[in-house]
Amino acid sequence: DAGVIQSPRHEVTEMGQEVTLRCKPISGHDYLFWYRQTMMRGLELLIYFNNNVPIDDSGMPEDRFSAKMPNASFSTLKIQPSEPRDSAVYFCASTPGGLNEKLFFGSGTQLSVL
Amino acid sequence: AQSVTQPDIHITVSEGASLELRCNYSYGATPYLFWYVQSPGQGLQLLLKYFSGDTLVQGIKGFEAEFKRSQSSFNLRKPSVHWSDAAEYFCAVRGYNQGGKLIFGQGTELSVKP
Repeated sequence: DAGVIQSPRHEVTEMGQEVTLRCKPISGHDYLFWYRQTMMRGLELLIYFNNNVPIDDSGMPEDRFSAKMPNASFSTLKIQPSEPRDSAVYFCASTPGGLNEKLFFGSGTQLSVL
Repeated sequence: AQSVTQPDIHITVSEGASLELRCNYSYGATPYLFWYVQSPGQGLQLLLKYFSGDTLVQGIKGFEAEFKRSQSSFNLRKPSVHWSDAAEYFCAVRGYNQGGKLIFGQGTELSVKP
């Protein structure tokens, strides 16, 4: 199994540009999560999906952020327009489901907004 | 609301010495508790988890953790640290009715001296 796959691995963009982060969860996993990691705030849950349906998006910082999961094998996190304070590592994770299941994390996308 | 506190931001231990990383949680009932490890540039990997039963749980890489309800703690221990254990460690909690939502502590960075 290839694990959770995120792309791109690194993204450098200018303020005001649109940024799209991509995630392919492990096949058969019913839950998908987007986390953001910064030095100041640690790991924050942005949004998570169950069976492609957004369940909790209370962690999404503001309307500039949006996430979709059009099918079970693909999700995107979009920032439009991007700002320097969005610079962080964004992780995608998936799990089969069930309270005793662990999260499988991707390697993350390092986003730098100049 | 659930929360997790890791009081130590950074810990340095000598190779071969014992290790204890502290974690305190806030939740109204017995939560599901996890410890994850993150190596530089990587996603998080599960070390161990607790749901019920024996309060001392064993994990991978020689780690163990003890759940103490009276202290709302779930401290991570290792009897003898190896240089390869240098990484960042995250404690996390999931509530019984929280679906897949996992809340992470701020993390503890472990450095290992030769």
